[in-house]
Amino acid sequence: AQTVTQSQPEMSVQEAETVTLSCTYDTSESNYYLFWYKQPPSRQMILVIRQEAYKQQNATENRFSVNFQKAAKSFSLKISDSQLGDTAMYFCAFNLYNNNDMRFGAGTRLTVKP
Amino acid sequence: GAVVSQHPSRVICKSGTSVKIECRSLDFQATTMFWYRQFPKKSLMLMATSNEGSKATYEQGVEKDKFLINHASLTLSTLTVTSAHPEDSSFYICSARGRDPSGGLDEQFFGPGTRLTVL
Repeated sequence: AQTVTQSQPEMSVQEAETVTLSCTYDTSESNYYLFWYKQPPSRQMILVIRQEAYKQQNATENRFSVNFQKAAKSFSLKISDSQLGDTAMYFCAFNLYNNNDMRFGAGTRLTVKP
Repeated sequence: GAVVSQHPSRVICKSGTSVKIECRSLDFQATTMFWYRQFPKKSLMLMATSNEGSKATYEQGVEKDKFLINHASLTLSTLTVTSAHPEDSSFYICSARGRDPSGGLDEQFFGPGTRLTVL
């Protein structure tokens, strides 16, 4: 079975600084997707970034980038130039290719301080 | 981007009554829909997966007679909490898998959630 681990329950960062959220996963499969979702106080799940395991290049979306280390089964999220609106719960998620079963980590609560 | 709606957003009911929650994909056809439960400050727990026209597949430990799922069309799935009790109080989130109508990738799109409170 696939598992996703987020070892940082809570983190904080000063506005405009950079923060990295950690995620590790366990699988014996080679084809899969990894995601970071943001859940603000509204509780709406928002896709932040997505990485296909077969791609060596790390995904980037504006201020958000990932460090995908397939051999280490690590998938960290870097948020640059943090903004107050980035305050939210962040969930790392794993999905096997052609499989509907998405697994979520426990989440990291990020607070951006002014 | 793709939009998934849930109705109602918030419901309060008495113990012993049944509550129906609707999940709709508004601008795309969903090949599969999912129902999650989320406790305060916790992660999403998958309850069941449903495909249009077939029976839902429930995760281990989820009572299928308690949480009835109907996937009547490619755009609508419903979750009915039967004979609700206070321990069923939670935040329920649906998601729908399909292709973003703007030409994006096939992925899961999440609804805004429904907060159920059973008195």
